[in-house]
Amino acid sequence: GEDVEQSLFLSVREGDSSVINCTYTDSSSTYLYWYKQEPGAGLQLLTYIFSNMDMKQDQRLTVLLNKKDKHLSLRIADTQTGDSAIYFCAEKGGGSYIPTFGRGTSLIVHP
Amino acid sequence: SAVISQKPSRDICQRGTSLTIQCQVDSQVTMMFWYRQQPGQSLTLIATANQGSEATYESGFVIDKFPISRPNLTFSTLTVSNMSPEDSSIYLCSVEGQTTYEQYFGPGTRLTVT
Repeated sequence: GEDVEQSLFLSVREGDSSVINCTYTDSSSTYLYWYKQEPGAGLQLLTYIFSNMDMKQDQRLTVLLNKKDKHLSLRIADTQTGDSAIYFCAEKGGGSYIPTFGRGTSLIVHP
Repeated sequence: SAVISQKPSRDICQRGTSLTIQCQVDSQVTMMFWYRQQPGQSLTLIATANQGSEATYESGFVIDKFPISRPNLTFSTLTVSNMSPEDSSIYLCSVEGQTTYEQYFGPGTRLTVT
């Protein structure tokens, strides 16, 4: 079946850029997502990108998609302590309306 | 976007009892989903609930254990029946937005079974 892989942890210094990486296996993925989950909260849809795009930028967030390598990344510029959370990568496509989620990357921002 | 609320936000329940979780959406949606997120794990889809039809359960989940209601286009309930400590999880309601590429989540219900 489809699989989405992410590294489990990322630690960065406040003010630096964070890059969270994700790989997926489904070549028919149509939509790719990044969700943020703060402690004790649900998932917040941060951004999404269509598979026919290479890049999407939204304020401090930049999403890069390498469809050939099935690699998705989320770059957070000027990372703040409020960005500390778990970030989930997800993909949907291939005729399925159900997204497949990765296990989440825990981003720790330290002073 | 859709605004989703869930009740209760958390609960501690005894083994063998049942808990019904409510999900309310601020707009009419066709597809609603129930997920489980066990500690340190990703999201696992329990079932898809469409109004006017029986819920569709994923492999490993059965209606007797997780009965679902979907009485209208803005509301759904998930019951966790005959609970055991292994059911301790966060249960998340999710809806598809106005377009198929939008999917939103509720704040979750944190369930602890003792």
